[in-house]
Order: sequence, then structure tokens, then C-alpha cells
Amino acid sequence: SSELTQDPAVSVALGQTVRITCQGDSLRTYYASWYQQKPGQAPVLVIYGKNNRPSGIPDRFSGSSSGNTASLTITGAQAEDEADYYCSSRDSSGNHLVFGGGTKLTVL
Amino acid sequence: QVQLVESGGGVVQPGRSLRLSCAASGFTFSNYGMHWVRQAPGKGLEWVAFISYDENNKYYADSMKGRFTISRDNSKNTLYLQMNSLRAEDTAVYYCVKAAYGDYVLDYWGQGTLVTVSS
Repeated sequence: SSELTQDPAVSVALGQTVRITCQGDSLRTYYASWYQQKPGQAPVLVIYGKNNRPSGIPDRFSGSSSGNTASLTITGAQAEDEADYYCSSRDSSGNHLVFGGGTKLTVL
Repeated sequence: QVQLVESGGGVVQPGRSLRLSCAASGFTFSNYGMHWVRQAPGKGLEWVAFISYDENNKYYADSMKGRFTISRDNSKNTLYLQMNSLRAEDTAVYYCVKAAYGDYVLDYWGQGTLVTVSS
């Protein structure tokens, strides 16, 4: 298996742009997916593939990737974006899924 | 709309077994792979297992392989997780999750069922 590493916590001022990163060897082969989880709720998919948003996800959410690092960018962060964010991808075997440890986003 | 409703959680003693179920609706269940993902209290997400749409492929996290078994009944639109030899560290909310876009993107999540392993 392989690991994905995320910063434990990130903060952003209301209306500003924030980037949340995820590092791991498997990201050189597979795209990351990103999930938002608010307290007491199930996770929600926000970005998948090269840079795809499911229906209903605001376009202020975007994704990118370079080398072994995937990034989730929120352009113009809103108060409702305060949540935990998790990245995931297949591991090096291609058959298992691995999650990053999560990043707690605080909107100031 | 897609609905995934887990059941079967509860308090169980260490070493005992438990079977979780997930009733799916709102999509053609037999066309999609499914996952179980868990989350220990106050901790991050941990992948548990995957089953392909036709049950031909099943994969497990290393820490659960040999103790957990994922299965499905496409005639009943239901996903299962049989958990044996439970340990305190298996205490978590267990989520049933629909796969999409190549099986490893998780596009719909249930609300989860809490499993507590305690004597």
C-alpha cells in the first residue's frame, strides 16, 4: 500500500483563496479525489479526476495535480466551506484505496 | 435520488461477530462497485473493502483481510460486511459508499452505522 500526506490544519480569511495539498507516490499514477466532511455528517465528493466537480458542487472548488502532489483550491472561501477535507487515490497496487489523514479548514 | 441506508451496527464484545447491511436505492445497484469505509471516533477516514458490480473482485485493507468479508445481493440491492474476531480498534462509524468513474471515486455515501467493540 501507499500513503497520502495532508497538512492537519489550514486557515483562510473569508473570501480569500486557499490551497489544500496531498502528497503521495501513488499520485504520480492516479488522480486524487477530494471529499468534504462537516461535523456529524457523511463525506461529500467535491473533486475527482483531472478536475471534475459533481453536480451541485460550487465552481469555487477546483483540483490540480503535479508530480506526487494533488491540490484542492477554494477560490473565494465561504463560511460554509469550513470542514475537514480528505484526499484519496488508488494505492500502488491499483486495487486498494487510500485516504490522506485529512485537513481541517478554518474560515476566519 | 441515490439512497444508501446502513444497518446492523451496535455494541459487541471483543472477539464476537457482526454483520452490517446497506440497502441501496435510486440507482441500478447491479451496475456499480461498492465500498465500505470506516471512521473511528475523532479520527480520519479509513478504507475497508471494495466489491465489484458482479462480485468477481473483492479487495480488503490489510488490517481487515481475513477477518472481514464483503458481499452483495444484487437481487435485493443490498451490500453486506461480515465482521469477525472484532477488536476494540474496530470501533468506528461504518459507511456504505457507491463507486463511480472507474470504481475508486466514491460519489454517494450513506449516513453510517456505529459499531462499538467493548466488553
